[in-house]
Amino acid sequence: DAKTTQPPSMDCAEGRAANLPCNHSTISGNEYVYWYRQIHSQGPQYIIHGLKNNETNEMASLIITEDRKSSTLILPHATLRDTAVYYCILVSSGSARQLTFGSGTQLTVLP
Amino acid sequence: GAVVSQHPSWVICKSGTSVKIECRSLDFQATTMFWYRQFPKQSLMLMATSNEGSKATYEQGVEKDKFLINHASLTLSTLTVTSAHPEDSSFYICSAEREGRGANQPQHFGDGTRLSIL
Repeated sequence: DAKTTQPPSMDCAEGRAANLPCNHSTISGNEYVYWYRQIHSQGPQYIIHGLKNNETNEMASLIITEDRKSSTLILPHATLRDTAVYYCILVSSGSARQLTFGSGTQLTVLP
Repeated sequence: GAVVSQHPSWVICKSGTSVKIECRSLDFQATTMFWYRQFPKQSLMLMATSNEGSKATYEQGVEKDKFLINHASLTLSTLTVTSAHPEDSSFYICSAEREGRGANQPQHFGDGTRLSIL
């Protein structure tokens, strides 16, 4: 079972920031928070990941709460091409790093 | 650009046929690759972990004699669906992680293979 909880769907206006929440209240100290997205009929695409600190790259920002029990993925200026299912996944630093996908959040960017 | 290549992207074949899907890491070595299956409107489900030079590890409920995995080199893993039947129709996706990089390193996914068995 996935250890994360995400809303099933969200809408966002084109050009506005999309804020996607994820709850992971049972996260362990050695688990990273990863975000992937899957555009229809394609393989998942890596977006960003973090352990404790907030992270930013060319695609998005990741805000992790101080207690690490939740995080938010921020797409600063959503475009129609950002419409996808977004997955928040915990990845352990242990030897077995297979990903457990939950249901994710279907983000629809509206024109 | 794509760092994991999956081939073919789409295949239609008759029931009883065996189908081989290839997953290649293009610019890095991958000791471990993963195979997932995704049915319509569902999430990805891990089928097996492919380990270079050793036997694959299958998830509970996945028939190892049905889904043959070979990871003969550090850049190639293959999944063969043997004697495929209509219920095997699905979207098959592979992923790979760079050798020795640990959890602070994302997995890279192929674009998937749409398998349709008539």
